[in-house]
Amino acid sequence: DAKTTQPTSMDCAEGRAANLPCNHSTISGNEYVYWYRQIHSQGPQYIIHGLKNNETNEMASLIITEDRKSSTLILPHATLRDTAVYYCIVRGAGSGGYQKVTFGTGTKLQVIP
Amino acid sequence: NAGVTQTPKFQVLKTGQSMTLQCAQDMNHEYMSWYRQDPGMGLRLIHYSVGAGITDQGEVPNGYNVSRSTTEDFPLRLLSAAPSQTSVYFCASSYGDRGWTGELFFGEGSRLTVL
Repeated sequence: DAKTTQPTSMDCAEGRAANLPCNHSTISGNEYVYWYRQIHSQGPQYIIHGLKNNETNEMASLIITEDRKSSTLILPHATLRDTAVYYCIVRGAGSGGYQKVTFGTGTKLQVIP
Repeated sequence: NAGVTQTPKFQVLKTGQSMTLQCAQDMNHEYMSWYRQDPGMGLRLIHYSVGAGITDQGEVPNGYNVSRSTTEDFPLRLLSAAPSQTSVYFCASSYGDRGWTGELFFGEGSRLTVL
């Protein structure tokens, strides 16, 4: 799996949009971008994923650049409950590309009242 | 629907003792994996399995043993516990090649302290 690079920490004011960047410059064609978050010491929770098109669900939006070398997770109206560590990973599909899933250290998002 | 269940949630061991962390999933997932997370750090992959009877090493496999005799269960064995293995352990599962969505489902974690 390709490595990802994320900022160590970010702050966001409550009610504002939180934009979390991720660099995955060595991503290959069959690898998806996934975002997870971990609140306190709970198990990570899936947020969203995408291949090359922008995606949106009830939790967040995912913007992937045209060259797929970077992406941004957007939490449109951050709340205090969104304070967590956010992980960006890439994971391949098929041909064993999905097997060795590695996480980096993620971005610690602090939502400020 | 229980999802991914890990037991025990907390365990204290003495150096040299052995134990098994249990992980079970009820989603018929082919893929299962174990991670460890040290304080202030990200998750590091220990071992993974793509189906019953098939296991492979991750980033930090030394000191750990796994087996996968059924689709549902993926136990992690510490053969001779060391203080360096004090950590929080997470089990995760997902679909494999068939019905693939890629989303990993995590358990709540097992907190292990080795004295």
